Amino acid sequence: NAGVTQTPKFQVLKTGQSMTLQCAQDMNHNSMYWYRQDPGMGLRLIYYSASEGTTDKGEVPNGYNVSRLNKREFSLRLESAAPSQTSVYFCASSNQLSYNSPLHFGNGTRLTVT
Amino acid sequence: AQSVTQLDSHVSVSEGTPVLLRCNYSSSYSPSLFWYVQHPNKGLQLLLKYTSAATLVKGINGFEAEFKKSETSFHLTKPSAHMSDAAEYFCVVSGKTSYDKVIFGPGTSLSVIP
Repeated sequence: NAGVTQTPKFQVLKTGQSMTLQCAQDMNHNSMYWYRQDPGMGLRLIYYSASEGTTDKGEVPNGYNVSRLNKREFSLRLESAAPSQTSVYFCASSNQLSYNSPLHFGNGTRLTVT
Repeated sequence: AQSVTQLDSHVSVSEGTPVLLRCNYSSSYSPSLFWYVQHPNKGLQLLLKYTSAATLVKGINGFEAEFKKSETSFHLTKPSAHMSDAAEYFCVVSGKTSYDKVIFGPGTSLSVIP
């Protein structure tokens, strides 16, 4: 009954370093998303994948890349981390790319860039 | 264009008293509306959703919300607060087609005083 699993839970990077955040879901959902959460700003969409094999930019894609590895997995890569990318990152999935389909979230990755 | 406003950044209630978390939205068409709850160091969890059926929506843990089109509001209520209700609450408005039109409010932090 895992739902959406994110790794790692915490990460500290130095400016310029790279890393990949991993996300996997076991609910057979078609759509997956990456959000960032910053104080007082709610959640902002970075990238999403409507279905396996497709990815699209969200509201704040600059500095990030994604890979939909298969139906279960959707990774987020920071090629050259910047302090502005200090945030909490959430992966989510939904049954379909539809206004009627609620999101299921992982527990987040807390990233600090120094 | 869509937007969502949560009128209070922080609400404090005593245990056993009613909870009211306010949300107003703006949408050029009939929206879908959601409330999510986030407990500390956790991902967001769906509380309830409105998708143009009954205007009074019941959710988990005794929460409910009423869609009022004339007031463009979707306020979240609960008759009696429990200590376990202390969390961050997000009102979300969704578009009809593309999922990148999901807009999260900035959140309301609910404190419950024993």
